[in-house]
Amino acid sequence: GAVVSQHPSWVICKSGTSVKIECRSLDFQATTMFWYRQFPKQSLMLMATSNEGSKATYEQGVEKDKFLINHASLTLSTLTVTSAHPEDSSFYICSAPGTGDHEQYFGPGTRLTVT
Amino acid sequence: GDSVTQMEGPVTLSEEAFLTINCTYTATGYPSLFWYVQYPGEGLQLLLKATKADDKGSNKGFEATYRKETTSFHLEKGSVQVSDSAVYFCALQKAAGNKLTFGGGTRVLVKP
Repeated sequence: GAVVSQHPSWVICKSGTSVKIECRSLDFQATTMFWYRQFPKQSLMLMATSNEGSKATYEQGVEKDKFLINHASLTLSTLTVTSAHPEDSSFYICSAPGTGDHEQYFGPGTRLTVT
Repeated sequence: GDSVTQMEGPVTLSEEAFLTINCTYTATGYPSLFWYVQYPGEGLQLLLKATKADDKGSNKGFEATYRKETTSFHLEKGSVQVSDSAVYFCALQKAAGNKLTFGGGTRVLVKP
């Protein structure tokens, strides 16, 4: 099946710094990718939809200037958490629709800890 | 807006017990429904899906039937194993390729 990778799998950064998370579709092209955030023992909340070659679509309440999304190619989307704060600590997950009917493939997630 | 509600966990069971996780949804139109599973330390995996009313999704001994009249998609397994310990998420999708709306997740712990 299709594979989506994320890098890094975990990252620790200091408050005020920026962190970039990559999401790659390894064996298929994805014009759209989704970025989710998952708090401990909670569900996934959609943050934004990443669109190749155009601006991302952010969900209500998500700061677009803080969570920068760039979908530079058909296999890569990046999420940059700018000026990170401890409350940004979370598990960030990306997904991409496959070519099959309703299939969607998830990355393994990136755990961000801001100290 | 669209929403998915599933029973809160944790659900603790003994091996070979019967498992049911309730899921109901609110959405306009005819969404597709999914169950995803997240094993400890791993990413989400599709467990099963149903794309229209009365469809039954099944995989690995798990089953769920799309009930439009009750807007439900309850997950069942007749005999659970320790390896079924995971977090289970019910989700809906309005159209192929679109975002998923997830329920809150239900943690299941199966004890030997």
